[in-house]
Amino acid sequence: QQQVKQSPQSLIVQKGGISIINCAYENTAFDYFPWYQQFPGKGPALLIAIRPDVSEKKEGRFTISFNKSAKQFSLHIMDSQPGDSATYFCAASARSNYQLIWGAGTKLIIKP
Amino acid sequence: GAVVSQHPSRVICKSGTSVKIECRSLDFQATTMFWYRQFPKQSLMLMATSNEGSKATYEQGVEKDKFLINHASLTLSTLTVTSAHPEDSSFYICSAGGSVSEQYFGPGTRLTVT
Repeated sequence: QQQVKQSPQSLIVQKGGISIINCAYENTAFDYFPWYQQFPGKGPALLIAIRPDVSEKKEGRFTISFNKSAKQFSLHIMDSQPGDSATYFCAASARSNYQLIWGAGTKLIIKP
Repeated sequence: GAVVSQHPSRVICKSGTSVKIECRSLDFQATTMFWYRQFPKQSLMLMATSNEGSKATYEQGVEKDKFLINHASLTLSTLTVTSAHPEDSSFYICSAGGSVSEQYFGPGTRLTVT
């Protein structure tokens, strides 16, 4: 019940295309859903996050879609660029503590 | 804002020696810091939760005597890998809690034990 399932494991998208990464969770106590971007040899960086009181959040080319009833959330990267090539992790946590439950990660490659 | 630093970024040590990694929150105070370990092409594995002024809480399977954590102030937590062995070679990442449910990550420390 603590798991966050992330898919796909890897993704190749053409430059200018839309990259979509999906995550699903079971624990209804989760109320914070961040996405992190990690480049090789670097720590993860918070990209965008959402709480369950909204169904969508957009920041520049990055959008989180959240479906509370399905317990799923996804990251959409519009107009994907080679510089977006990185590993993306979804995560979830409950308000009662700071602990993040991590997805397995998606390696995204944007082809020029 | 919300910058977390780690030092050193890379360290090579000989088997049997101890290594200390520092994690600092530069522009905010963090009552809670987290230590993660990441193996190549894998997700982050939480090792322990560090609370300022109290003992760290270790995740199941993490040896507390091997991975010593000290959170002496609201801006500094340290991880000491004692009697390091080659299997301890990994990427160690710390994070500090900002507002509720938000964590900011350090750049990581690559430990290689020879």
